[in-house]
Amino acid sequence: DSGVTQTPKHLITATGQRVTLRCSPRSGDLSVYWYQQSLDQGLQFLIQYYNGEERAKGNILERFSAQQFPDLHSELNLSSLELGDSALYFCASSAGTAAYNEQFFGPGTRLTVL
Amino acid sequence: AQKITQTQPGMFVQEKEAVTLDCTYDTSDQSYGLFWYKQPSSGEMIFLIYQGSYDEQNATEGRYSLNFQKARKSANLVISASQLGDSAMYFCALGGFKTIFGAGTRLFVKA
Repeated sequence: DSGVTQTPKHLITATGQRVTLRCSPRSGDLSVYWYQQSLDQGLQFLIQYYNGEERAKGNILERFSAQQFPDLHSELNLSSLELGDSALYFCASSAGTAAYNEQFFGPGTRLTVL
Repeated sequence: AQKITQTQPGMFVQEKEAVTLDCTYDTSDQSYGLFWYKQPSSGEMIFLIYQGSYDEQNATEGRYSLNFQKARKSANLVISASQLGDSAMYFCALGGFKTIFGAGTRLFVKA
């Protein structure tokens, strides 16, 4: 158990809908990272927050947004969902601000868009 | 730009033997980290080992060691005494300003 929690574990929804994925980092970690893992794109970095502020942005679509709250949990919002958004979404956390710190992953949320 | 390459899509190893999984990288960052993760069929990402760009000694964690050759920009994972439970997907990752992952190597351990 990495100490990072993600809810829900599975999510099935329809095209055009909006969903919210939730992540709680390990105790004491200030950075939260979001990743998308799909069969054709592999594991892609989406976005990083550090202590509530956006720190780095990767291949995140405009239809997706994220935020980190004062209690350090983070949410990833996916809107106008398309079939291609079906993937495993991971949250990871680390103690420091830089991406060269070790990152510990949550169990992931498997999103299926029908 | 950052780049990370895992050239072995799949590998087989006999139980109890050692295996090396290759990883090469490219980055213009002065400070960076190299990570290895294991992803079993259940899907979770398990952190295995980390090497910082300024670390002079190769990292080791139990049966895992990282053969870090900075001049060659390689960070190969060595698993000693392979076990059946080591069968999984293994990802190398480069962490700098952003984190990028390689395509992965699927390891099969034969009894």
